Amino acid sequence: AAGVIQSPRHLIKEKRETATLKCYPIPRHDTVYWYQQGPGQDPQFLISFYEKMQSDKGSIPDRFSAQQFSDYHSELNMSSLELGDSALYFCASSSGVDYGYTFGSGTRLTVV
Amino acid sequence: EDQVTQSPEALRLQEGESSSLNCSYTVSGLRGLFWYRQDPGKGPEFLFTLYSAGEEKEKERLKATLTKKESFLHITAPKPEDSATYLCAVQTHGSGNTGKLIFGQGTTLQVKP
Repeated sequence: AAGVIQSPRHLIKEKRETATLKCYPIPRHDTVYWYQQGPGQDPQFLISFYEKMQSDKGSIPDRFSAQQFSDYHSELNMSSLELGDSALYFCASSSGVDYGYTFGSGTRLTVV
Repeated sequence: EDQVTQSPEALRLQEGESSSLNCSYTVSGLRGLFWYRQDPGKGPEFLFTLYSAGEEKEKERLKATLTKKESFLHITAPKPEDSATYLCAVQTHGSGNTGKLIFGQGTTLQVKP
């Protein structure tokens, strides 16, 4: 079965650079979520999209932005990267909000 | 403030030694409680969703139960391949139609042969 696809799997950036993470949800899933997981931490909700519209916003820095495109894939754009942005970034998708959603394998971002 | 607390933080078991993981929650209105398994460097893998007190769900050696204040993940006769971090998360009515999850810190389980 198709899963949530995230790219790239690993990304190394320098401070103050920009990074773009991509997420391809499961076909026919209408909701996409982005989570950030620091080392030894639980996943923290960043932002979500329902039918290509932003539906909720969590603890996402102003330096980050995201959008969902007409083909339902989503991108998380991160600018002016800081060392503290180093983390695993997960995308998840669901069909409706009342079901457990499926996570991708994540993008490991390392800021040096 | 909605809060999810898992205990213990870490658990070491011998193969075959059954135990339970706890997830306590304080939320304004529970919509659903989710259990995920996470292996190092990988995304959380969905295990169960529980919606109402008294509900139970089973999958192989795992059984999840729910009360009005907490959930338990029972592991019966665990095997080394059950070693992972188990995450509990809640979805609240306050999240509206967004479905965002609030996670606990997780319990890291190590099962020794």
